[in-house]
Amino acid sequence: AQKITQTQPGMFVQEKEAVTLDCTYDTSDQSYGLFWYKQPSSGEMIFLIYQGSYDEQNATEGRYSLNFQKARKSANLVISASQLGDSAMYFCAMWAGGTSYGKLTFGQGTILTVHP
Amino acid sequence: KAGVTQTPRYLIKTRGQQVTLSCSPISGHRSVSWYQQTPGQGLQFLFEYFSETQRNKGNFPGRFSGRQFSNSRSEMNVSTLELGDSALYLCASSLGGPESGNTIYFGEGSWLTVV
Repeated sequence: AQKITQTQPGMFVQEKEAVTLDCTYDTSDQSYGLFWYKQPSSGEMIFLIYQGSYDEQNATEGRYSLNFQKARKSANLVISASQLGDSAMYFCAMWAGGTSYGKLTFGQGTILTVHP
Repeated sequence: KAGVTQTPRYLIKTRGQQVTLSCSPISGHRSVSWYQQTPGQGLQFLFEYFSETQRNKGNFPGRFSGRQFSNSRSEMNVSTLELGDSALYLCASSLGGPESGNTIYFGEGSWLTVV
């Protein structure tokens, strides 16, 4: 079974500062992928970044980077230069196993609040 | 390029009724998944369809069903609605599912309230 743990129910950051959202995962599969999504209060789940288990370099997408530490089974999201519009719920998710068609396992989420 | 489109966005139903939600994936995407999101249970996987075939299913009762059409559009149906079915239902699409290394994109969701 797969499990995602996000230990920070809420995080606060000052505008223009960087923030790290924690995510640890557990799986016995060698092949897996890790996602981060942003969910504003409107409900839409917005894709931010993806890291495959065999990717040697940490993924980056604009202001988002994923700090992937395979031995520690962690996949933390780093948001640089926070903006007020970054305030939202953030979810870490994982697929694992070749037959887990379409299935993502999600963490409980972290609410990020960006202060001006 | 149009994103994942879900309809309706909001709906209110009465206990015992049934509901059908619709999802149009991103053009070219053949995998469609459905998720239920509630404050208590978080995000839970319902099922996934690829080329009109259900390939995977979560742990939900048989009242929850789905289908996919030849144009990859998908519908999910919940029969005999219960108060606990009140949730945000999210549809996601990808080229072939994450197991193929493909990114999954979500729609805006359908907010269902059962009274």
